Amino acid sequence: KAGVTQTPRYLIKTRGQQVTLSCSPISGHRSVSWYQQTPGQGLQFLFEYFSETQRNKGNFPGRFSGRQFSNSRSEMNVSTLELGDSALYLCASSLGGRFGNQPQHFGDGTRLSIL
Amino acid sequence: AQKITQTQPGMFVQEKEAVTLDCTYDTSDQSYGLFWYKQPSSGEMIFLIYQGSYDEQNATEGHYSLNFQKARKSANLVISASQLGDSAMYFCAMREGRDSGTYKYIFGTGTRLKVLA
Repeated sequence: KAGVTQTPRYLIKTRGQQVTLSCSPISGHRSVSWYQQTPGQGLQFLFEYFSETQRNKGNFPGRFSGRQFSNSRSEMNVSTLELGDSALYLCASSLGGRFGNQPQHFGDGTRLSIL
Repeated sequence: AQKITQTQPGMFVQEKEAVTLDCTYDTSDQSYGLFWYKQPSSGEMIFLIYQGSYDEQNATEGHYSLNFQKARKSANLVISASQLGDSAMYFCAMREGRDSGTYKYIFGTGTRLKVLA
């Protein structure tokens, strides 16, 4: 069974640009969550999509947005990039159902560097 | 208030010895799940072990076990016979929100474990 796939693995952008990151979940998983990980702030939750709807949202500015397609693949978009957006962005998928015993499975992440 | 608290930023353990990584949580839900993840220096997050709030037995998975004390709201990870490959950052996480329908995953700040040869 293929794992969670994130593309690209590495990305270098400049301030003011925008970026789109992609995540393909494990087959059958309907929930996709996005996290930002930095040395100073740790793992911070961005948002979660379930069946094409945003179900949960963290405390990030509106420059951070996402969407989920009917095949559960998800994209995250960051507009007007700032230096502080440099981070490892992790995508995680899970079944997303009502039962608690559903771990999230993570992709390898996209490392975004802003110059 | 922190929902998941990991009080040990870093720990050292001698190879082949056991080590306990602490995790306390806070939730008003009756039904919730507790997870531990490992993140090696390469960056990927690896799911290790799960404990449900209604599970009476402590979860075990290979040389990992979860010491679940519900009344104290703690879910400590015990690594028996540490191996050099266990050196990594370890995150405790909770899934709550079944009652409210939000199903949120909340992560702690992590504990960096270094296994010494």
